[in-house]
Amino acid sequence: GENVEQHPSTLSVQEGDSAVIKCTYSDSASNYFPWYKQELGKRPQLIIDIRSNVGEKKDQRIAVTLNKTAKHFSLHITETQPEDSAVYFCAASTYTDKLIFGTGTRLQVFP
Amino acid sequence: NAGVTQTPKFQVLKTGQSMTLQCAQDMNHNSMYWYRQDPGMGLRLIYYSASEGTTDKGEVPNGYNVSRLNKREFSLRLESAAPSQTSVYFCASTTFYEQYFGPGTRLTVT
Repeated sequence: GENVEQHPSTLSVQEGDSAVIKCTYSDSASNYFPWYKQELGKRPQLIIDIRSNVGEKKDQRIAVTLNKTAKHFSLHITETQPEDSAVYFCAASTYTDKLIFGTGTRLQVFP
Repeated sequence: NAGVTQTPKFQVLKTGQSMTLQCAQDMNHNSMYWYRQDPGMGLRLIYYSASEGTTDKGEVPNGYNVSRLNKREFSLRLESAAPSQTSVYFCASTTFYEQYFGPGTRLTVT
């Protein structure tokens, strides 16, 4: 079955710097790769996603890139702000809508 | 439009007790899911239901049962709770890939 690895597990950056979180997946049939943000004590919420027919997608300060050959995808956050502090999860799925999640990255943005 | 709702929000059980976690969605979604979240382990799929009347095991189904009562409701039952089932449980639903999560149930088994 699918396996998703996520790195790093914790990431600390200064406000205004960029943050990058990386994930690798094992199943070459996976075709959908979302990223979820979870603030402390709250539910995960989708922030951006990408499908296998696209290499990059941007939404304001966040972007996701996908390398199908290497089976990895990354989340990029530019101009980080304290409110970006949260746990971020990557996930992957095949043609079903069943997601397999990575283990999460705790991002801390220091003012 | 309440989205995905879960009850209860918190629960403490003694080892061996049983309970049912309730989940409902009002978005007319076909698929529903139960996850558990443990520190450092991410979200692990317990069971899912692709449509009313069907259920399938996920990554960690042992010790749990589920019922898809109708299109709106998907319940998770612990027949004999164990301390290893102490976790935060999330229900989610989806129609086209994006999963919408409920607020979670924090369960402690002593």
